[in-house]
This record gives sequence, C-alpha cells and structure tokens, in this order.
Amino acid sequence: KAGVTQTPRYLIKTRGQQVTLSCSPISGHRSVSWYQQTPGQGLQFLFEYFSETQRNKGNFPGRFSGRQFSNSRSEMNVSTLELGDSALYLCASSLWTGRDNSPLHFGNGTRLTVT
Amino acid sequence: DAKTTQPNSMESNEEEPVHLPCNHSTISGTDYIHWYRQLPSQGPEYVIHGLTSNVNNRMASLAIAEDRKSSTLILHRATLRDAAVYYCILRDGSGGSNYKLTFGKGTLLTVNP
Repeated sequence: KAGVTQTPRYLIKTRGQQVTLSCSPISGHRSVSWYQQTPGQGLQFLFEYFSETQRNKGNFPGRFSGRQFSNSRSEMNVSTLELGDSALYLCASSLWTGRDNSPLHFGNGTRLTVT
Repeated sequence: DAKTTQPNSMESNEEEPVHLPCNHSTISGTDYIHWYRQLPSQGPEYVIHGLTSNVNNRMASLAIAEDRKSSTLILHRATLRDAAVYYCILRDGSGGSNYKLTFGKGTLLTVNP
C-alpha cells in the first residue's frame, strides 16, 4: 500500500507570494491533517479535514487555509508569505477521526523556504 | 488543550531497554495516548497508542499509569535505528470536533553502540 505522498518535496518562495501544497492520503483514509514543524516551535497542528469538511483548526492566522477533495486528497494554501512561514509542512492521514482514534500516518513533508 | 511533558533528551546503549516517560496530568477520559517517532528528514512514524490498559506491539510497549496522568514508552532492546525524536501526544477519541492535537517538543533519544 502506498504511503502518504506530499508534493512538492522542496519549495522556495518570495515574501508576499502564495503557495499551495498537496497531500495524497493512504488509499481508504478519509481524514487528513496538516502540521507545521519549525526548530523553535516544534510540531504545530494546522487543521484537519474529514469528508471534505474542516473538523478542527489550530491557532494559525487566516492566511493558512486548506481543503479536501472528494477523493480525500488535500491541499493547503498559504497566502501573503512571510519569512516566518519557512518550515517543514507535514500531512498525515488516518482511517477515521474521532471515536475510531486510528493512528496518524505522516508523509515526509514539504520543505518551504521563504526568502 | 491537554498537553504532554517529556524530557528533552535521553541516552541509551545498544541492546539495552529504554524507558521514555511522558506526563499528561490534564488528560481527559476520552484522550488516547499516542507515541510517534521522527527520524531526520522524515515525517513522524506511528509507534503505539493506548487508552487505559498497557499495550504491546512489535515495535514497543506502552505502560499507562493507573490514574492515566503519565505513561512510559518501552523499547525492549534499543538499536541504532531507534535513535530519533519521540513524541507523546493526546488524541481525542470522543468523536468531538473541538479538540486541537498538541505535540510537545519530544525526547531526542541517542543510542550508543
């Protein structure tokens, strides 16, 4: 079974630009969540989608948004990039969310550098 | 939001057992305790999870305190490949939609040959 796939693997953008990151979950997984990882803040939860609906959202500004498609693939978008947005963005999928409490399966992330 | 506390780093010798502690004093009754580990340049990898009872799988064991305010991840025989950052997190299993998944800073495990 293929794992979680994130594209692109590396990205360099300029301040003020916007960026879209993509995540393909494990086949059959319906929940996709996104995380930002930086050396200073560690892993921080961005948001979680299930069946095309955002179920939870972390404490990030509105510049960070996401969506999930009917095939469970997900994208996250960051608008008006700032230098502080430079980070590793990780996507994780799970079978379900809530009562099933299935484990998270992470991709290897997209490394975003903002210059 | 329920949070976890872990030591910043721990060191072990190869083929010796390793006990990685995690405190979660504000855990709620529906929170599952999950452990993940992250190797350099990779995303976190699921290790084990549990609710109340101790759990075993091929990778590790999870010992959960009776009051559930702490837990310990046990690697029975550490290998060099176990060197990683280990994260203990709480994941709400109530089916509610208002939880925020919180990762601590994790424990950097060094395994000496």
